[in-house]
Amino acid sequence: AQSVTQLDSQVPVFEEAPVELRCNYSSSVSVYLFWYVQYPNQGLQLLLKYLSGSTLVKGINGFEAEFNKSQTSFHLRKPSVHISDTAEYFCAVIDRGGDSSYKLIFGSGTRLLVRP
Amino acid sequence: NAGVTQTPKFQVLKTGQSMTLQCAQDMNHEYMSWYRQDPGMGLRLIHYSVGAGITDQGEVPNGYNVSRSTTEDFPLRLLSAAPSQTSVYFCASSRSRVNYGYTFGSGTRLTVV
Repeated sequence: AQSVTQLDSQVPVFEEAPVELRCNYSSSVSVYLFWYVQYPNQGLQLLLKYLSGSTLVKGINGFEAEFNKSQTSFHLRKPSVHISDTAEYFCAVIDRGGDSSYKLIFGSGTRLLVRP
Repeated sequence: NAGVTQTPKFQVLKTGQSMTLQCAQDMNHEYMSWYRQDPGMGLRLIHYSVGAGITDQGEVPNGYNVSRSTTEDFPLRLLSAAPSQTSVYFCASSRSRVNYGYTFGSGTRLTVV
């Protein structure tokens, strides 16, 4: 079964600094990857997704992620963060079962804390 | 557009009580899922559905039942609530299995005492 690992539970960063949130997935076979953001007391919102094609994926709010097959990684980056980027970020993968099921499986999340 | 609507937003139950968390979407999405969110554990899939009349178990299905009689509605039932079911529950829906990502509701915060 597919899974994702987010190694950092919390990432503190100063405003206008660059940030990278790390995500590693378990298998390289037909992988579909996503990043979601959750602002306090809200549901999740899709930031970006990788389905196929270009390994550099651009999303909303200036975020981008790079699919790296050799390192089984899908790290999220932003060149300059704002206070408003403070939120929890989740990496997710589609787990394709033998019965043709498609389940969206999440990592444990990384809390991005942007300081002034 | 209402998107994905979850009710109630907050609920306190006593151990052993039953209740149904409601989820409705108005986007004609075939795929719907229920997740629970606990600190440090991310979101864990409880049950999911790929269309009316079709449901299947996720990662943590024990203690929960679902049904999908219409495309719009996907209720989650707790048959006999336990303190371990204290969590925030999210319902999500998607137009397809992969391409469009999932739209999430705003969540139901459930406390079992």
